[in-house]
Amino acid sequence: SQQGEEDPQALSIQEGENATMNCSYKTSINNLQWYRQNSGRGLVHLILIRSNEREKHSGRLRVTLDTSKKSSSLLITASRAADTASYFCATVVDSSYKLIFGSGTRLLVRP
Amino acid sequence: DAGVIQSPRHEVTEMGQEVTLRCKPISGHDYLFWYRQTMMRGLELLIYFNNNVPIDDSGMPEDRFSAKMPNASFSTLKIQPSEPRDSAVYFCASSFLGRLSGGYTFGSGTRLTVV
Repeated sequence: SQQGEEDPQALSIQEGENATMNCSYKTSINNLQWYRQNSGRGLVHLILIRSNEREKHSGRLRVTLDTSKKSSSLLITASRAADTASYFCATVVDSSYKLIFGSGTRLLVRP
Repeated sequence: DAGVIQSPRHEVTEMGQEVTLRCKPISGHDYLFWYRQTMMRGLELLIYFNNNVPIDDSGMPEDRFSAKMPNASFSTLKIQPSEPRDSAVYFCASSFLGRLSGGYTFGSGTRLTVV
């Protein structure tokens, strides 16, 4: 079963613009992770944020976590055509190592 | 490191046949996960192992599915007999949970088509 729901399901932006994707989840978590999946390929880990952290940066990526609202957001700044992919949030539930994925956001960055 | 290696990349089989998917995790990783991805159901966790021992198989859909990890460098997911609704992309992932900051490393997947 899926833990999270992502919003929007699909996003189309122009190269250079910022892209924001949101994720909501249902249960208490140990950490939340974001992954990218290019068409027909495996998933690539982007960033992990722990439940006691509120914001994390990695290059052009910024992730926020609000445990009171059970939500997270992924911001990609200055997007590039190569950022076109599906993006998934995934949560590790307290006391387990099960990584449960959301439904994903399909991002299209137009050149 | 070559990453998580899955084989075969593609598998087409007839309904009723046995299918075996293979995974070689990253050396030193102590957790191994099997996922299935479909358009309808998204990414589903099927089973995961810690130090070669199955920890949670609650995601395995039916008795037709079985998974083994005979040693730290090899795991199999077997479907017997296969059915058309098993058609999906199956991913294997591994992780060393002592340092969670690295996330989980996924293989390229096996695309299974059951006709």
